[in-house]
Amino acid sequence: GDSVTQMQGQVTLSEDDFLFINCTYSTTWYPTLFWYVQYPGEGPQLLLKVTTANNKGISRGFEATYDKGTTSFHLQKASVQESDSAVYYCVLAHNYAQGLTFGLGTRVSVFP
Amino acid sequence: AQTIHQWPVAEIKAVGSPLSLGCTIKGKSSPNLYWYWQATGGTLQQLFYSITVGQVESVVQLNLSASRPKDDQFILSTEKLLLSHSGFYLCAWSLSGGNQDTQYFGPGTRLLVL
Repeated sequence: GDSVTQMQGQVTLSEDDFLFINCTYSTTWYPTLFWYVQYPGEGPQLLLKVTTANNKGISRGFEATYDKGTTSFHLQKASVQESDSAVYYCVLAHNYAQGLTFGLGTRVSVFP
Repeated sequence: AQTIHQWPVAEIKAVGSPLSLGCTIKGKSSPNLYWYWQATGGTLQQLFYSITVGQVESVVQLNLSASRPKDDQFILSTEKLLLSHSGFYLCAWSLSGGNQDTQYFGPGTRLLVL
């Protein structure tokens, strides 16, 4: 079945550091991919959506690049702030059942 | 603008007791609706989805059931809670149509089963 893999469970940074989160996916087709962000006690919210048509998304200073050749979908930000502390999920829209497959998440902690 | 409301905000229930969680979407007609479960510190797992009133499809049951009695309402329930049901329950909606659409999540209901 479809799956996404986030190897980094936790990332600790200082403000103005560069953030890079690696995600790989496995599926038999070319899916739409998302990055969702979840703050404590809240539901996840959409950060970026990338389709096979555009291969890249940019939002709120975050950039996601979709590489069909290596089946990877990375998230990066040039300069993080303390307010970026949250859990980031790599998410795959699967083509069976209406729904999303979430990765295990990467907890990002940014300290001043 | 669309709004999504979940109730209750939080529940503490005993093992073996019944449960009913609700979700209401306002400002969007005929949305696709979804239930997800998140264990404490874990990732989200899709449980059910519905594309129309009265029709619900199960993805992972976990001894739970779901119903869609109205276009804007989605209910998650069980007659007998297990300890393993503890966690964070999230309702989401998307535009009807393709399964590549963005899903928008509600604030969630936190459940503790003792």
